Amino acid sequence: AQKVTQAQTEISVVEKEDVTLDCVYETRDTTYYLFWYKQPPSGELVFLIRRNSFDEQNEISGRYSWNFQKSTSSFNFTITASQVVDSAVYFCALSEARRSTGNQFYFGTGTSLTVIP
Amino acid sequence: DAMVIQNPRYQVTQFGKPVTLSCSQTLNHNVMYWYQQKSSQAPKLLFHYYDKDFNNEADTPDNFQSRRPNTSFCFLDIRSPGLGDAAMYLCATSRRQARQETQYFGPGTRLLVL
Repeated sequence: AQKVTQAQTEISVVEKEDVTLDCVYETRDTTYYLFWYKQPPSGELVFLIRRNSFDEQNEISGRYSWNFQKSTSSFNFTITASQVVDSAVYFCALSEARRSTGNQFYFGTGTSLTVIP
Repeated sequence: DAMVIQNPRYQVTQFGKPVTLSCSQTLNHNVMYWYQQKSSQAPKLLFHYYDKDFNNEADTPDNFQSRRPNTSFCFLDIRSPGLGDAAMYLCATSRRQARQETQYFGPGTRLLVL
């Protein structure tokens, strides 16, 4: 079973539109962490945010905002007033405990966002 | 700026010819990871080092090896590259081996096998 599901494979929006990227996760742990990364065409995975399972407050950083809902096991990412520079693949990830090595990182399959000028 | 550096950014090798990819970090992190990412897929963890302790993922082929001579450097050796090994190889680091630790990635090395 997929631990992290990003159902949207590709999204296209016109510049200045808002867009929400969905992320649904599955875990039995009570303590876990969720992450979002951005991967532009250059290839580097850029860290955007980390959220722990006990903090359900929404977070806003400039045009970016995140909505964490434990009840639906979702950690969605919204870009407001999208720009061409937002075009990238976005990965959601889950980190939970792993006895042998301390932690296990699970990536979703990514959502490719294209912002059309 | 503290960072994760990967060299080279692009590597072309021949089928069966050994190749080594390099990663260095100035973050002084204890953990270094190697991921393989094929086109339109999520990164797949190959192995990682916690200090000098090597941890291999169960499904990583024997063809892939790694060395970490010191805290700053980690190498990925592909002993006999096949066409299926063409991919982006990402190096990442984290301070510790714990679920709350963020992984910081380098820019990747894109490997082409001819």
